[in-house]
Amino acid sequence: DIQMTQSPSSLSASVGDRVTITCRASQGIRDDLGWYQQKPGQAPRRLIYGASSLQSGVPSRFSGSGFGTEFTLTISSLQPEDFATYYCLQHNTSPLTFGGGTKVEIK
Amino acid sequence: EVQLVESGGGLVQPGGSLKLSCSASGFTFNRFWMHWVRQAPGQGLVWVSHINGDGSTTNYADSVKGRFTISRDNAKNTLYLQINGLTAEDTSVYYCTRDLIYWGQGTLLTVSS
Repeated sequence: DIQMTQSPSSLSASVGDRVTITCRASQGIRDDLGWYQQKPGQAPRRLIYGASSLQSGVPSRFSGSGFGTEFTLTISSLQPEDFATYYCLQHNTSPLTFGGGTKVEIK
Repeated sequence: EVQLVESGGGLVQPGGSLKLSCSASGFTFNRFWMHWVRQAPGQGLVWVSHINGDGSTTNYADSVKGRFTISRDNAKNTLYLQINGLTAEDTSVYYCTRDLIYWGQGTLLTVSS
C-alpha cells in the first residue's frame, strides 16, 4: 500500500500568514493527489485535484504543487475561515490512502 | 444539485452486523464511482472502499477486507456498505462520496456493549 506522510501534524498561524503543508508518498503517484479541508462537524471539502488544479469555488489563495512523491498545499494569506484540518489523498493506486492530517490553529 | 444522504448507523453490539445506505440524487448515479470513507472520533479520514458505476469492480482497505462488502442498486440510486463482525475499532462516522468530490454528511456507527 502507498503510505502518505503529511507534515506538520499541527501548526499555529496568524491571519495573513503564508502556510505550507507537505505530503510525501512512499512511491510515485504522478499527480494523482487531492487536498481536502475539514471543519469540525462537517464533511471534507476538496480544495485541489490533480495535485495543482483548484476546485471550482475555492479561493485562489489556495494552491497545490508537486509530482511523483512530494506535494505541497499552500495558503498564501491565511483567513479566519481557513482554520481547519487539511488532508491529502492519493488515488493513484488502490487502496486509496489519506495523509494523517494537519490541524491549522489560531496563534 | 448533487445530494448524498447516509443512513443506517446507530449503536450495535460487538460481533454484530449492519448495513449502511447512501441515497443519491441530482446526478446519473450509474455513471460514477462511489466511495465510503470513515472517521473515528477525533481521528483522521480513512478510505474504506469503492465501487464502479455498474458494480463490477470493487476495492477495499486492507483493514476491512473480508468483513465489509460494498454494493449498489442503480435502479434505486443507492449505495450500500455491509459490515460484519463489528468491533469497537469500527466506531466511526461513515461518509459516502461521489468520486471524492461530493460528500454526504455521514452516519455515526457506534460499536459498544
